[in-house]
Amino acid sequence: GENVEQHPSTLSVQEGDSAVIKCTYSDSASNYFPWYKQELGKGPQLIIDIRSNVGEKKDQRIAVTLNKTAKHFSLHITETQPEDSAVYFCAASIGGSGGSNYKLTFGKGTLLTVNP
Amino acid sequence: ETGVTQTPRHLVMGMTNKKSLKCEQHLGHNAMYWYKQSAKKPLELMFVYNFKEQTENNSVPSRFSPECPNSSHLFLHLHTLQPEDSALYLCASSKGLSSYEQYFGPGTRLTVT
Repeated sequence: GENVEQHPSTLSVQEGDSAVIKCTYSDSASNYFPWYKQELGKGPQLIIDIRSNVGEKKDQRIAVTLNKTAKHFSLHITETQPEDSAVYFCAASIGGSGGSNYKLTFGKGTLLTVNP
Repeated sequence: ETGVTQTPRHLVMGMTNKKSLKCEQHLGHNAMYWYKQSAKKPLELMFVYNFKEQTENNSVPSRFSPECPNSSHLFLHLHTLQPEDSALYLCASSKGLSSYEQYFGPGTRLTVT
């Protein structure tokens, strides 16, 4: 089955700096890669996702890049703010026709702390 | 708010107790999920329901018994649990099984003593 590795497990940055979280996956058939943010006392919330037909996707201060050849994808947060502090999870699934979009394999999470 | 609510938010139970977790989604979705979130481990998918029918049971022990009376409500009945079952139990929903985005509730923090 799919295996997703996520690094680092903790990341501390100064406000205004950039943060990068990296994930690798094992199943070359995976084609959907979401990132979830989990704040204290809340459930995970989807913040950005990418499908295998593109290499990069941006949404304001966050971006995700995908390297299918190397089987890794990364979350980039620029101009970090204290409210970005949370646990971030990457995930992978085999979506689309014949796939199982809902079968997400998650990484173990990265605790991001943004210091004011 | 994500539109998915869970009760109770915290639960402490002994190994011989029987309790139930409740999840309700107000999003008009057709698929609902139970996940287990343990410290330093990835989220584990436990059960999947689509239009009230169970479509997946990820080898979950029988001491966990799900129930989905309709597309808006999902229960997880617990009995004779073990201390290692202590975790955050998350409910999620999506429009359907082919939908990409899952909406999570805040979870129930379960402690088994």
